[in-house]
Amino acid sequence: SAVISQKPSRDICQRGTSLTIQCQVDSQVTMMFWYRQQPGQSLTLIATANQGSEATYESGFVIDKFPISRPNLTFSTLTVSNMSPEDSSIYLCSVAIQGALGYTFGSGTRLTVV
Amino acid sequence: AQKVTQAQTEISVVEKEDVTLDCVYETRDTTYYLFWYKQPPSGELVFLIRRNSFDEQNEISGRYSWNFQKSTSSFNFTITASQVVDSAVYFCALRNGDTGFQKLVFGTGTRLLVSP
Repeated sequence: SAVISQKPSRDICQRGTSLTIQCQVDSQVTMMFWYRQQPGQSLTLIATANQGSEATYESGFVIDKFPISRPNLTFSTLTVSNMSPEDSSIYLCSVAIQGALGYTFGSGTRLTVV
Repeated sequence: AQKVTQAQTEISVVEKEDVTLDCVYETRDTTYYLFWYKQPPSGELVFLIRRNSFDEQNEISGRYSWNFQKSTSSFNFTITASQVVDSAVYFCALRNGDTGFQKLVFGTGTRLLVSP
């Protein structure tokens, strides 16, 4: 299975600022997924990122708020823009590797907006 | 539409008790995949099992077992002789389709607390 390095692991940010989260995968993957997990809640997909094309956003999530970059097959970033306390969540990236049984998740970024 | 329901919000057991976590899913696809993930207090998601829609065979892995029943759209997870280290939030998830890498739809999770 793949190994994902996700950074930062946690951050405390001021409202109105932006934070960029990075995910580096140790193998090439076609699709990367970005999820949000609000406190005590389940995981909700934000967007799917394919290399070389625009990310596909789920209902309720927009590119201006959560811009995503996917410059190559091993790396992606998610930016949380103009943050408010409601953005306080765990953000996780995920990949699926051909031949692997499960989707692999990064260790998550715990974001607190004050 | 896809949906995963985990009706049990939280379960508390004493060590060595058996516990079953329920998962009910909805999908219109004939090909789909079901997953269980464990999220310990540290926050990472640990993959436990994947089951294909065309394979109803139950599975046992050590103290863990899974019961997949298409007739009731359920994919339940049993931990035998629970241990304190089993304390975590457990998520059931569904993926549709037989091609490509589709997104996972997660249930709301069941928090399991195992006391010594």
